[in-house]
Amino acid sequence: DTEVTQTPKHLVMGMTNKKSLKCEQHMGHRAMYWYKQKAKKPPELMFVYSYEKLSINESVPSRFSPECPNSSLLNLHLHALQPEDSALYLCASSQVLPPDTQYFGPGTRLTVL
Amino acid sequence: AQSVAQPEDQVNVAEGNPLTVKCTYSVSGNPYLFWYVQYPNRGLQFLLKYITGDNLVKGSYGFEAEFNKSQTSFHLKKPSALVSDSALYFCAVSLTGFQKLVFGTGTRLLVSP
Repeated sequence: DTEVTQTPKHLVMGMTNKKSLKCEQHMGHRAMYWYKQKAKKPPELMFVYSYEKLSINESVPSRFSPECPNSSLLNLHLHALQPEDSALYLCASSQVLPPDTQYFGPGTRLTVL
Repeated sequence: AQSVAQPEDQVNVAEGNPLTVKCTYSVSGNPYLFWYVQYPNRGLQFLLKYITGDNLVKGSYGFEAEFNKSQTSFHLKKPSALVSDSALYFCAVSLTGFQKLVFGTGTRLLVSP
């Protein structure tokens, strides 16, 4: 089973709200990723976790805060977002870091009002 | 720096005809190459990858890709297109020890009945 799940599927939030995106995998993968994707564009890497430690932060604004509570879970905490942050947020996981195949979840469609 | 180019924004093909989606890469080392497909409002689905060995790689849903080192290409092919193959296709590259997967800009495939 190569399933990565993400909740919620859709999220609408105001600029003063605090919300969280959740991602879960039960494939025993030790690397997990957050990507941001705008319409008709490729995914942009935001964060990489390897063995539950933050490995890469692609200069993402501090209003995005990742968390990896255990090897199966990855969260993305959102606070004081801007309308330009509206996008599809994708989670992925892989056995270890690239070049192992990354498996993607269905994404959370975020709209910031 | 590693990069991937997908020279065609859109490829149009009639159902039943062969299809090709082009990808060229630029890396300083031996590349690991991937193809992903994305249907509207969905995550990326893994199709196939090249790591080493046979230059012709077979993947999911009847897709295959040919690794050509001299032309630095990794074109995606399918002998007979289906309307349901209509989607956005991404080529991606990585390297051993390189923690990122670098995506091309994507090619929209439109298969007409």
